[in-house]
Amino acid sequence: NAGVTQTPKFRVLKTGQSMTLLCAQDMNHEYMYWYRQDPGMGLRLIHYSVGEGTTAKGEVPDGYNVSRLKKQNFLLGLESAAPSQTSVYFCASRGRAGYGELFFGEGSRLTVL
Amino acid sequence: AQTVTQSQPEMSVQEAETVTLSCTYDTSESDYYLFWYKQPPSRQMILVIRQEAYKQQNATENRFSVNFQKAAKSFSLKISDSQLGDAAMYFCAYRRSSYRPGGSQGNLIFGKGTKLSVKP
Repeated sequence: NAGVTQTPKFRVLKTGQSMTLLCAQDMNHEYMYWYRQDPGMGLRLIHYSVGEGTTAKGEVPDGYNVSRLKKQNFLLGLESAAPSQTSVYFCASRGRAGYGELFFGEGSRLTVL
Repeated sequence: AQTVTQSQPEMSVQEAETVTLSCTYDTSESDYYLFWYKQPPSRQMILVIRQEAYKQQNATENRFSVNFQKAAKSFSLKISDSQLGDAAMYFCAYRRSSYRPGGSQGNLIFGKGTKLSVKP
């Protein structure tokens, strides 16, 4: 019953450092997403994937890269972190059928100093 | 481009009373889905209720119901018999249902949220 799992849950970085957020889902979902949540801004889509080996840009992709080498995993990378990337990051997934509701991870709080 | 607007940044309700959260959206699509998500202080995003645009009947889930006005592009959430556990951020979201080559594959578009407080 894991659903969508994000690691790490919290991370503090210095400007210029790199890191990777890992998202893993065990529901065999085709679609996976990375959102960022900032106060007063709602959730904004960074990148998404419609299947293994595919990725696409969302609304705010600059400064981020993603990879989906395995269907169950979706990685979000920051090559050179900036204070503007301080945020809470959410991974989500959905299947093709039905309403296509999103299943979310618990979020990862990233602080860039 | 589709947009979702929640005009009430904050709302407050007395315990056991009813509150309505507003949401409007802009789209040229005729077939789509609408959702309300709840985000309590734990940060977890929880699906509250969903509506298919082609269904005229308003969705209900226990104390939660929606007023879906397709022509007005309005999708409000009514919470009856409010409980302390209802205190949270509420996000309205839209997703088109039709496939479009090269398109965004029906990504969920969120409003900026309404923070609901429940007074004991």
